[in-house]
Amino acid sequence: TQLLEQSPQFLSIQEGENLTVYCNSSSVFSSLQWYRQEPGEGPVLLVTVVTGGEVKKLKRLTFQFGDARKDSSLHITAAQPGDTGLYLCAGVLPSGTYKYIFGTGTRLKVLA
Amino acid sequence: EAQVTQNPRYLITVTGKKLTVTCSQNMNHEYMSWYRQDPGLGLRQIYYSMNVEVTDKGDVPEGYKVSRKEKRNFPLILESPSPNQTSLYFCASSFTGARGQPQHFGDGTRLSIL
Repeated sequence: TQLLEQSPQFLSIQEGENLTVYCNSSSVFSSLQWYRQEPGEGPVLLVTVVTGGEVKKLKRLTFQFGDARKDSSLHITAAQPGDTGLYLCAGVLPSGTYKYIFGTGTRLKVLA
Repeated sequence: EAQVTQNPRYLITVTGKKLTVTCSQNMNHEYMSWYRQDPGLGLRQIYYSMNVEVTDKGDVPEGYKVSRKEKRNFPLILESPSPNQTSLYFCASSFTGARGQPQHFGDGTRLSIL
């Protein structure tokens, strides 16, 4: 079974701090997605990265796909309480399978 | 409104009693998928479907069945539920399932099997 390991599992920080969440695997993915999930709801897509080395920015969130397409990171600048939630990475296995592998999740709490 | 609808949202049942969780999407998506979410394990894919009558196993298919007779519906069937299938289940859909396509998730079904 392919695994996507996320770190840290839990993170509690003060408003205004910066943080980075990591998503690592020994498998190569054709693309990688980041989702955020609120309690009682399904995950909602934040971004998709498809090219090795790709960097995408979404306001205060910066996403990077590793050069070898085996890992990714999510960096949040000046975190706000509204960023609180469960962050999940999800890799799509190389073409022909259409299987998704989700990471174990990072639960972020931003304190006001 | 574009959405993925799962029913029921909550279900408590007993071991061995067959149950079906329904999933319907109104976006004309070809790709649909079922996941279970357990603490510390993230989401794990159970089954997915590329289109009508085309289904394939995900990472944890044991104990589950699916069917895709219509494009909009993708029910998850537990023929003989067991306590280790107690979990939070999500249905998702995307346009084609190809890389980069966003998945739209339902709000989940919390299943407890006693």
